[in-house]
Amino acid sequence: TQLLEQSPQFLSIQEGENLTVYCNSSSVFSSLQWYRQEPGEGPVLLVTVVTGGEVKKLKRLTFQFGDARKDSSLHITAAQTGDTGLYLCAGALDNLFFGTGTRLTVIP
Amino acid sequence: EAGVAQSPRYKIIEKRQSVAFWCNPISGHATLYWYQQILGQGPKLLIQFQNNGVVDDSQLPKDRFSAERLKGVDSTLKIQPAKLEDSAVYLCASSPRDFVGANVLTFGAGSRLTVL
Repeated sequence: TQLLEQSPQFLSIQEGENLTVYCNSSSVFSSLQWYRQEPGEGPVLLVTVVTGGEVKKLKRLTFQFGDARKDSSLHITAAQTGDTGLYLCAGALDNLFFGTGTRLTVIP
Repeated sequence: EAGVAQSPRYKIIEKRQSVAFWCNPISGHATLYWYQQILGQGPKLLIQFQNNGVVDDSQLPKDRFSAERLKGVDSTLKIQPAKLEDSAVYLCASSPRDFVGANVLTFGAGSRLTVL
């Protein structure tokens, strides 16, 4: 059983479209991180959110931490082919627990 | 700053054989992690070291997996004997200090193991 469930598992969209990826859990986390992983590479940290309700923006990416610190979302505006990859959320408890992952493909 | 180095990048073995993976973390990083990432899933923590001591190895299958971090720097992860379900990417990560909430992990590129 995974502590963090992500949806959708797979997402294929056209360049220029918007998308949202969700990360849900029944556990309360002290913080939550989002990573992007490209084929043949390790995950790379995108952002860390700490406070319930916190919203962080990274260029076209918007990250939100749920008020109860149990869930998070990642919204990408005007997706580009360079956004293609595996997006992983990771929640901090006594250690860092990764979600199931969302594989995004942006088609030119 | 050099990143986390891992080797080998790829390994193919027969079941019941043994294999070892090596990791060199970022210089000065006290904490080192080994994760297992099965295809299509998120990474799962196998073991965490703080300097050369084990902090958490609760998810490590100790009947076949072992890991050490001599002198608090490099680390090796060994599997003996390997099973088909061990086919995965083994990721090493390091962080500057003990895990506390919003700590930042830097990952290596991983070692992909295929067990036939």
